[in-house]
Amino acid sequence: DTAVSQTPKYLVTQMGNDKSIKCEQNLGHDTMYWYKQDSKKFLKIMFSYNNKELIINETVPNRFSPKSPDKAHLNLHINSLELGDSAVYFCASSQSAGWTSGYTFGSGTRLTVV
Amino acid sequence: DQQVKQNSPSLSVQEGRISILNCDYTNSMFDYFLWYKKYPAEGPTFLISISSIKDKNEDGRFTVFLNKSAKHLSLHIVPSQPGDSAVYFCAASGGNTGNQFYFGTGTSLTVIP
Repeated sequence: DTAVSQTPKYLVTQMGNDKSIKCEQNLGHDTMYWYKQDSKKFLKIMFSYNNKELIINETVPNRFSPKSPDKAHLNLHINSLELGDSAVYFCASSQSAGWTSGYTFGSGTRLTVV
Repeated sequence: DQQVKQNSPSLSVQEGRISILNCDYTNSMFDYFLWYKKYPAEGPTFLISISSIKDKNEDGRFTVFLNKSAKHLSLHIVPSQPGDSAVYFCAASGGNTGNQFYFGTGTSLTVIP
């Protein structure tokens, strides 16, 4: 039973398109995140939501918009995709109070913009 | 600005020997550190942690050492096994970063049978 699941696993799309990546966690965690792993393997946080409320919004283009319909879901919508958006995007979750045990990650979505 | 660095992108070790993976950080406010292990096509999985009140934490074959004055931590795997072959990320948090962890770029460990 997958704890943090992301869909799709692979996404190939053309420049200029709009796409969404979905994430769901069944761990009862309060906090969810989106991380981007770029071509240099650097895993960098993009957004964090706690109980559907945005708490971390790093410097990412406005074309990226997270949406959290409930605390078990955090989706990422990307408008007007660019070549530089190609990366692996990881969703993660943690218990707010028990964050010292780290995050539970999804398996990643490999986005390729052509 | 990369606050957590893993300067060795790869490491090869013979089965049964010790693997030592290193991690350096720049933010002196960091007080909690994690190691994650990642297999291809999977997300990172939590391996071991250490807080700044300790300088060593051990869990089976895995030991993490923290040198606060040098802003350096290391993960020791003894004895190394072929199943340990993966990418290892260190991550750090603390001070005004709140719940946010900063990750290194990872070290790819290959354990040769």
